[in-house]
Amino acid sequence: NAGVTQTPKFQVLKTGQSMTLQCAQDMNHEYMSWYRQDPGMGLRLIHYSVGAGITDQGEVPNGYNVSRSTTEDFPLRLLSAAPSQTSVYFCASSSRLGTGTYNEQFFGPGTRLTVL
Amino acid sequence: EDQVTQSPEALRLQEGESSSLNCSYTVSGLRGLFWYRQDPGKGPEFLFTLYSAGEEKEKERLKATLTKKESFLHITAPKPEDSATYLCAVSRETSGSRLTFGEGTQLTVNP
Repeated sequence: NAGVTQTPKFQVLKTGQSMTLQCAQDMNHEYMSWYRQDPGMGLRLIHYSVGAGITDQGEVPNGYNVSRSTTEDFPLRLLSAAPSQTSVYFCASSSRLGTGTYNEQFFGPGTRLTVL
Repeated sequence: EDQVTQSPEALRLQEGESSSLNCSYTVSGLRGLFWYRQDPGKGPEFLFTLYSAGEEKEKERLKATLTKKESFLHITAPKPEDSATYLCAVSRETSGSRLTFGEGTQLTVNP
């Protein structure tokens, strides 16, 4: 199993550009999520999904869009990049333990994004 | 609002010098408390889940404990390879798998 994979590893954008960060998992996990990690602020939840076709907002969703058309993939779209979106982005997934409960999350290697 | 506070922010130890990291939390209806290890330039790696006060889990030189207000990660006789940032996170009973993370403790173990 490759686990959780993310592409690209590094990206530089100009203000106003759009792009998609890719995330895939091969563990058949129902739950997938996106976090951003900034110095002094810890990991913060952007969006999450409990299954194909179902997404919801996390703590810091503004400026980001997600969709979940398959169990395996959960792309994160930046609609119009801003310098405040410079960060390291992590995708994570977990399996269902029971109704509304899940096991521990497994994280991908991250995408380091710089917006100029 | 759920809150997780980790202390200290940074800790330097000599190889073999045991110590503890603290994670204080405020959450309405704790479902689980999670410890992760993060190496520079990598994603967090899962270590432990604790579900109820009094629970303890061990893995090699690490032992995690949980009370109603805080969790400790005890490191016994650490080695340089234990150097990393240790992250604590909580999930609430009503929030599925949503995690609230602390800012982490950066541990350095000198040979």
